[in-house]
Amino acid sequence: AQSVTQLDSQVPVFEEAPVELRCNYSSSVSVYLFWYVQYPNQGLQLLLKYLSGSTLVESINGFEAEFNKSQTSFHLRKPSVHISDTAEYFCAVSSPISGGYQKVTFGTGTKLQVIP
Amino acid sequence: DAGITQSPRHKVTETGTPVTLRCHQTENHRYMYWYRQDPGHGLRLIHYSYGVKDTDKGEVSDGYSVSRSKTEDFLLTLESATSSQTSVYFCASATGAEETQYFGPGTRLLVL
Repeated sequence: AQSVTQLDSQVPVFEEAPVELRCNYSSSVSVYLFWYVQYPNQGLQLLLKYLSGSTLVESINGFEAEFNKSQTSFHLRKPSVHISDTAEYFCAVSSPISGGYQKVTFGTGTKLQVIP
Repeated sequence: DAGITQSPRHKVTETGTPVTLRCHQTENHRYMYWYRQDPGHGLRLIHYSYGVKDTDKGEVSDGYSVSRSKTEDFLLTLESATSSQTSVYFCASATGAEETQYFGPGTRLLVL
């Protein structure tokens, strides 16, 4: 069975400081990895994803994540956060199951609080 | 953004009553999902669909049923609502199982 662990439930950080949100996964097969962001009272939106190729993926708003197969991690980083980055971030893993379908499992989320 | 809506957006109901939540998407996505979001649990998959009339259970399917008679609509029914089903319910759709999921705005359900 696959699982996703987000060790930090809340991460407070000062504006313009760097941040890393940690995500570790377990799976016995190849996976696809995603980070979603949820702003207050909204649904989730894709931030970035890793399907194949370069292990470093970037989003349009300055976030990046690196797929590390040996450490089974997909940590999310941003060198300088902005107040508008305050949100909850979810890591997700997708892997194939029988019948050619993919099973998606979400982590429990990390609330990023940017302090002015 | 994919056009995906949920109705109702808020609902208060009593224990033991049936409740149906509707998800509607205009993107002709094959895959659709129902999740519930609870503090400390993140998103947990209730049911998903990989085509019209093709559905399967997720990790927390007890007490829930689904139906998909058209590509664009995915209904979630709480057959007899319980207080433990108080939650925020999100619907999502995707073109493929490995592809980005597009989420609706959520439905807040309170079971008294």
